[in-house]
Amino acid sequence: AAGVIQSPRHLIKEKRETATLKCYPIPRHDTVYWYQQGPGQDPQFLISFYEKMQSDKGSIPDRFSAQQFSDYHSELNMSSLELGDSALYFCASRGPGTGDNEQFFGPGTRLTVL
Amino acid sequence: RKEVEQDPGPFNVPEGATVAFNCTYSNSASQSFFWYRQDCRKEPKLLMSVYSSGNEDGRFTAQLNRASQYISLLIRDSKLSDSATYLCVVLSNSGYALNFGKGTSLLVTP
Repeated sequence: AAGVIQSPRHLIKEKRETATLKCYPIPRHDTVYWYQQGPGQDPQFLISFYEKMQSDKGSIPDRFSAQQFSDYHSELNMSSLELGDSALYFCASRGPGTGDNEQFFGPGTRLTVL
Repeated sequence: RKEVEQDPGPFNVPEGATVAFNCTYSNSASQSFFWYRQDCRKEPKLLMSVYSSGNEDGRFTAQLNRASQYISLLIRDSKLSDSATYLCVVLSNSGYALNFGKGTSLLVTP
């Protein structure tokens, strides 16, 4: 079965640079979520979109922004990168027919800020 | 204080053993609960949703006690491949964000 696709899988940036992470949800899924997982930490919710509108916002820094496009893919834009932004960034999706608010995660993008 | 609390372990058990993980949550209004499994440097994978009546999926049994705000996961006949971190997860009141516990590490040994 098709899964959530994330690109790139690995990204290395310098401090103060920008980065864009992409997420392609499972086909027919209309809701996308972004999570950040630092080393040794549990995933922290950043932001979500339902039908291209922001549906919830968590601990996303003001330096980050995100959107969902008409084809339901989503992009997380990160500016003025800091060392502390180094983490795994997961995208998850959910859609009609998915039971009980279940979210399915992509393989993640590993961001390293030097 | 985290909304979801778990014993981090590690739990080291021999193959074939039965092991149980527990988790508590702080928001009494929470409605949806899950166990996810995460292997090192990989994405969380949904193991099972947790229902009030309790539910079973093969060797895995999940229980929910709303009065005590307590969730459990029982793994019977442990396999080497069960070695992973098990994350207790509660859906936030917004209906979107998942709140994760810090995870319980399980190592199944031959």
